[in-house]
This record gives sequence, structure tokens and C-alpha cells, in this order.
Amino acid sequence: EIVLTQSPGILSLSPGERATLSCRASQSVSSICLAWYQQNPGQAPRLLIHGASNRATGIPDRFSGSGSGTHFTLTISRLEPEDFAVYYCQLYRSSPYGWTFGQGTKVEI
Amino acid sequence: EVQLVESGGGLVKPGGSLRLSCDASGFSFSYYAMDWVRQAPGKGLEWVSSISPRSDYIYYADSVKGRFTTSRDNAKNSLYLQLNSLGVEDTAVYYCARHQLSNGYYWDFWGMGTLVAVSS
Repeated sequence: EIVLTQSPGILSLSPGERATLSCRASQSVSSICLAWYQQNPGQAPRLLIHGASNRATGIPDRFSGSGSGTHFTLTISRLEPEDFAVYYCQLYRSSPYGWTFGQGTKVEI
Repeated sequence: EVQLVESGGGLVKPGGSLRLSCDASGFSFSYYAMDWVRQAPGKGLEWVSSISPRSDYIYYADSVKGRFTTSRDNAKNSLYLQLNSLGVEDTAVYYCARHQLSNGYYWDFWGMGTLVAVSS
């Protein structure tokens, strides 16, 4: 089973700063199977990035995704107040079928 | 506007059962695979089950296999999750999500979730 490890667990930053979140897979994966979600307290997750680097509809361009193989990165270029949330990376696998999440990174002020 | 609305959650005793529903609107429900994802209080996200558009393929996480059953009614634009033999470890918010295959594999729309609490 492929394990996703996100780091850091907590990222303490200020509005306007740059955030760099890491997601490492225990073995090489296809980039099209990697997505990122944002979750605010009490809310459902929101899709940010799919296929490792494609911004979802309506997502501001301060969010970007990159990476391949075993290391993927979500970058928020300039943090806005609404960006302080928990971020999850997610992997799809076809065989055996299933979906895996990282444990999450909390971006806090 | 795409909307997914879950219902059916509540408090149930260990060993009990519940049936969750997810009502979809704003898109052609019968064209999309749908999923259930859950989140235990204060914990991360866990995929539970996927169902193909015509129910040809249904998949489950090992943690729920044999206890949970996913189904759908395309005529009613509804998705269901039957939860049996519930344990305290099943306490979570259960989300339904639309499964997308364009430029990747991901869920592009989520409902707000329904809380299932298993306690004696």
C-alpha cells in the first residue's frame, strides 16, 4: 500500500508570506493521480489542484502544485487570511482500487 | 449549480445500523461515479466507497468491507450508504463527493456531510 506523508504537520506563517507544503509518496506514483484539497473548520474539503499541477475551477492563481514521482508540493505564493486551513494531498490507485490521503498540514497564523 | 446534500446521520448504538442518503442536483447524476468519504472527529479524511455511474462497479475500503453497502438510484439522483454492524470507530462525518476523471482522478464537488455517532 502506498503511504502519503505530508510535512510539516503545522506551518506557522503570517498573511502575505509564502507557504510550501510537501507530500511524499512511499513509492513512485503517476502525477495525474495526485490532488490537493483545502479544508476549513466545520466545512467540507474543497478541491484545489488535480493532476498534481492543474488548478481547479475558481481557485486563485496564488495556489500552485508541482512535483512528480514521489515528491509533490503545494505552494501558496502570498497567504490571504482565508488560506489558513488544513491541506490534504490525495492519491488515487487503480490496482488495487482505492484512494489514500496524507495526514494533512495545518497552516496557521 | 452542483449541489450534494447528505442526510440520515445520527446517534446509534454499537452494532446498530443506519442508512445515509445523498441527494444530487445541478448535474447529470447518472453520468458520474460517486464516492463516500468520512472524517472522524479531529482526524483526517478516509475514503469509504466508490460506485460507478451504472452501479457496475462498487469498491470499499478494507475498514468497511462486508459491513457497508453503497447503492444509487439514478432516477432519483440519489446515492446511498447502508451502514451495518457499526462500531465506535465508525463515528465520523460522512461526505458524498462527485468523482471526476478529467485531467486526473479527484472529487470536484462535496456535500456538507452528515454526522454518524456510534456510542452506547
